Amino acid sequence: DIQLTQSPSFLSASVGDRVTITCRASRGISSYLAWYQQKPGKAPKLLIYAASTLQSGVPSRFSGSGSGTEFTLTISNLQPEDFATFYCQQLNSYPLTFGGGTKVEIK
Amino acid sequence: QITLEESGPTLVKATQTLTLTCSFSGFSISSSEVGVGWIRQPPGKALEWLALFYLHDDKRYNPSLMSRLTLTKDTSKNQVVLTMTNMDPVDTATYYCARRRQAAGVSTYYFDYWGQGILVTVSS
Repeated sequence: DIQLTQSPSFLSASVGDRVTITCRASRGISSYLAWYQQKPGKAPKLLIYAASTLQSGVPSRFSGSGSGTEFTLTISNLQPEDFATFYCQQLNSYPLTFGGGTKVEIK
Repeated sequence: QITLEESGPTLVKATQTLTLTCSFSGFSISSSEVGVGWIRQPPGKALEWLALFYLHDDKRYNPSLMSRLTLTKDTSKNQVVLTMTNMDPVDTATYYCARRRQAAGVSTYYFDYWGQGILVTVSS
């Protein structure tokens, strides 16, 4: 199985900050990575797929980059509605796997 | 409008079999570009992929649970059913179904629409 390690697992930030979350794969997954945002009590919401393609309707302050084994999700100009937990997911091979999550809280 | 909704028991006893139904609308799983998957999330923990219907009748299961999982579908009713046998308290989780969509122009896919989830508690 491909393991995904997210870092940090928790971060505290202020509105307006630029935030970067890293997802590392245990072996190369090309660009077959997606990012999701999850708020408490809600289903995950797709933000980015194919490592860097923004899903329709997602604000442009979200961006993704990387390929192979290292990926990043960047949120520029953090907004109050962005405070949530973020997960990466690899779709390169079965079983599909998720990272452990990064919780972004208000400083 | 695309929607998915999970239904089934919210409380099962250990050793029982869980049957969850995903009822969806706004798309068809007869398309080669679309499938339906199941993902679960224990309280306070990360997401775990369970199973996937894709490319018409192909199925994939998480090997760690494969011996306990069965996927079936009723295309006429727009439903996908997940059966999990021999339930244990560690299987307590919110179970989600989600639409798998092939990305345009690239050989990858993603889960773009999710149900609201159903919390299943397994009692000992």
